[in-house]
Amino acid sequence: QMQLVESGGGVVQPGRSLGLSCVASGFTFSGYAMHWVRQTPGKGPEWVAVISSDGSFTDFADSVKGRITISRDNSKNTLSLQLNSLKTEDTAIYYCARAFFSSNSYWFDPWGRGTLVTVSS
Amino acid sequence: EIVLTQSPATLSLSPGERATLSCRASQSVSTYLAWYQQKPGQAPRLLIYAASNRATGIPARFSGSGSGTDFTLTISSLEPEDFAVYFCQQRNTGWTFGQGTRVDI
Repeated sequence: QMQLVESGGGVVQPGRSLGLSCVASGFTFSGYAMHWVRQTPGKGPEWVAVISSDGSFTDFADSVKGRITISRDNSKNTLSLQLNSLKTEDTAIYYCARAFFSSNSYWFDPWGRGTLVTVSS
Repeated sequence: EIVLTQSPATLSLSPGERATLSCRASQSVSTYLAWYQQKPGQAPRLLIYAASNRATGIPARFSGSGSGTDFTLTISSLEPEDFAVYFCQQRNTGWTFGQGTRVDI
């Protein structure tokens, strides 16, 4: 059974940094691109970042570009997200999700259960 | 950025009834549209991809249709476990999501 488990969320002051992790199991992690998606309660999700299967390509949403780093360790089945210069508007549940390719495009499947990041002084 | 607008915001129905959810894109996304189900405290689950393809393990009562800018998710006969929030998502340009439709009893 495929599973993604995020960790690392918490309360952090504005301007500080936080690192999130996502451990994958049940599929060949090294064969898939991976995403981070975030969601503020009561709102629709927002795509944050993607990394290719080998880590050679990354892309970021404009709202976080320049402030975050995405990386992966295929030997440990682990995806990471480093959030820097955090703003109150970065408060959200952060999900990792696998890039599922079918019908000539990519979809998010499966998702983890998320980790909550709260940016507050 | 392509904006997805879902309607209605809330749909109040009873088990056994038919649910029809709408997702409209601000510009054409061809058939690069997916639907996800989310229950409180749970991860979102992929239901439909490429507008009309059911994901693995998704019951046949869920169906998707549409192309271009107008899409529909239909649940033919609501089961108790179907009461949840549903999001649409496009992958024609970037990745964006709708604001969701809550299906309530």
